Formats: sequence, C-alpha cells, structure tokens
Amino acid sequence: EDKVVQSPLSLVVHEGDTVTLNCSYEVTNFRSLLWYKQEKKAPTFLFMLTSSGIEKKSGRLSSILDKKELFSILNITATQTGDSAVYLCAVADSWGKLQFGAGTQVVVTP
Amino acid sequence: GAVVSQHPSRVICKSGTSVKIECRSLDFQATTMFWYRQFPKQSLMLMATSNEGSKATYEQGVEKDKFLINHASLTLSTLTVTSAHPEDSSFYICSATPGQGSSYGYTFGSGTRLTVV
Repeated sequence: EDKVVQSPLSLVVHEGDTVTLNCSYEVTNFRSLLWYKQEKKAPTFLFMLTSSGIEKKSGRLSSILDKKELFSILNITATQTGDSAVYLCAVADSWGKLQFGAGTQVVVTP
Repeated sequence: GAVVSQHPSRVICKSGTSVKIECRSLDFQATTMFWYRQFPKQSLMLMATSNEGSKATYEQGVEKDKFLINHASLTLSTLTVTSAHPEDSSFYICSATPGQGSSYGYTFGSGTRLTVV
C-alpha cells in the first residue's frame, strides 16, 4: 500500500531557529515529490523535486530528495513567526495523482 | 502563471440540498483536475480525478453518485455535492495540471468551506 509519512507531526521553535522536516514515502510509479505550506486556506506550492541529490532553494527554505532511500527533507533557516503553518509533503505518481502525508505543524514563537 | 480559481470560497446549505463548486484554470489548459477533501486537522484526501471529456475516476470509498464531477472543458471542472448532509461539511479543494511533463507542479484553488446545517 502506498504511503507518505511525515515527521515530526508538530514542533515548536523560537524565532531564528532552524527547522528540518522529514518526509518518507513508498509510492508505486513515483514521479515527483512536492512540498506545500498550508495556513488557513489552500496549500501554497513550495517545491517540486524529481531528481535525487539536487537541492532546491527559495530564500530561507530549501529541500532535497533522496530517491534511493525514499525520503525528502525541508529545511527552514532563521525561522520567523510567519513561517508558522502546516507543511505538507505529497508524492505524485505517473498518473498525476497526489498522495499527501499528514503534515507537520510548525509553530514559531517570538 | 498557473492560477487556479475556485468558487465559492464558502457556502452554507441546508441538509438535503445540492451544492456546486467550480474550479477554473485561468491561464493554462488543464487536461486533468483533482478534487480533494480535508477534514479539520487532517491532511488532504484525494476524492477523484477529473479528465476533460471523460468520466471522472473516483477513489475507493468516495460515492460517485453523491459527488458528481463534470469536466466539460479544458478550463473548468465542477464538483456537485448532492443531497448534502452534515457529515459532508468539509474543506474541498481542487488542483489542476496541464498534464504530464508540466513544470508547474500542481496548483491548488483557494478551496471551498462547505457547511451543511
């Protein structure tokens, strides 16, 4: 059975800390792995990863995929209170269907 | 680019009535659209895959007669919740992709908060 597992489920950090979020997967016909940030409404796209070992960066966020070990990490450096959100990992199969992990709730305190 | 518009953003309806939710791709043609449901404090669960010009494919456990999906054009898919009941109250989100090989990733609409009273 396909599954996407995120860890931790939640964490609380202080502003300025670095956060590392994990996503492991077992998905038939893997095509890509995506990270989203969800606040009150719909998820906001962060990254799409298809190749192993290539880091993608956007400001203080970065992500990398390991297709051999079947996992990805999302890093957030110098966290700010605006980074507080649920971070969702999703894996797309070759038909384009997304399977989501349960998400990691990140709370950044001042 | 890759903007998906979803309407309405919030709807309250009486039990037994039907509600239609629209999902439009504004600046690209979406050969495939997906409908998800999210209950409070849970992740998104795929309900169905909508392909333009053909019948939708429903995930296991999703009643196709209750959740009617129509994808009549390359820019519009609709989800109709028929004979809604309070347990159908949820956050419904669509996503769209131009198709395999797209670099857009998967863009989500803004979601529809459905409350059935």
